[in-house]
Amino acid sequence: DTAVSQTPKYLVTQMGNDKSIKCEQNLGHDTMYWYKQDSKKFLKIMFSYNNKELIINETVPNRFSPKSPDKAHLNLHINSLELGDSAVYFCASSQAFGQETQYFGPGTRLLVL
Amino acid sequence: QQQVKQSPQSLIVQKGGISIINCAYENTAFDYFPWYQQFPGKGPALLIAIRPDVSEKKEGRFTISFNKSAKQFSLHIMDSQPGDSATYFCAAPGGETSGSRLTFGEGTQLTVNP
Repeated sequence: DTAVSQTPKYLVTQMGNDKSIKCEQNLGHDTMYWYKQDSKKFLKIMFSYNNKELIINETVPNRFSPKSPDKAHLNLHINSLELGDSAVYFCASSQAFGQETQYFGPGTRLLVL
Repeated sequence: QQQVKQSPQSLIVQKGGISIINCAYENTAFDYFPWYQQFPGKGPALLIAIRPDVSEKKEGRFTISFNKSAKQFSLHIMDSQPGDSATYFCAAPGGETSGSRLTFGEGTQLTVNP
């Protein structure tokens, strides 16, 4: 069983489109995260939810909107996609927020044309 | 805001050699310093972590050394193998104002030649 899963794995789309990435974890964790990894491999946190409550909201364009319908799911919706949004987006989860092991999903490779 | 400086950016080592990656952090009120390993096309995965009531932690060929006064910690990979070729990230928890969330270093791409 996959602990943290993301769909889709690949996403190729045109500039200006709206797209969503879904994430699910079956570890029973309370905290979930979205990270963006750019072409230089830099991992930057975007959002974190703890028990469905937003606790980290980094300086991310408001075109990005996370939604957590329940503790096991954290989705990312992106409006009006731009070329600079092309990256790999990772979902992760941890037992609790802070000094805990984070379990990463396989990533969603987004390419905006 | 926590800053984590990781070096080197890339590292090439011969099989059987020692790989050393260094990280420096600014301030933290928390003591938890993990290293993550990422293979191409995969998500990062925890490799080893230290909670520095000790200055060193060893798991197999992987060792974390921690110097609290210098605010530095390093990953040593002994007897490096081609299968260790991956990107390695250190991470440090935030300072008092940013809580205990992790800030990742910029990553080190390790290549171990056969």
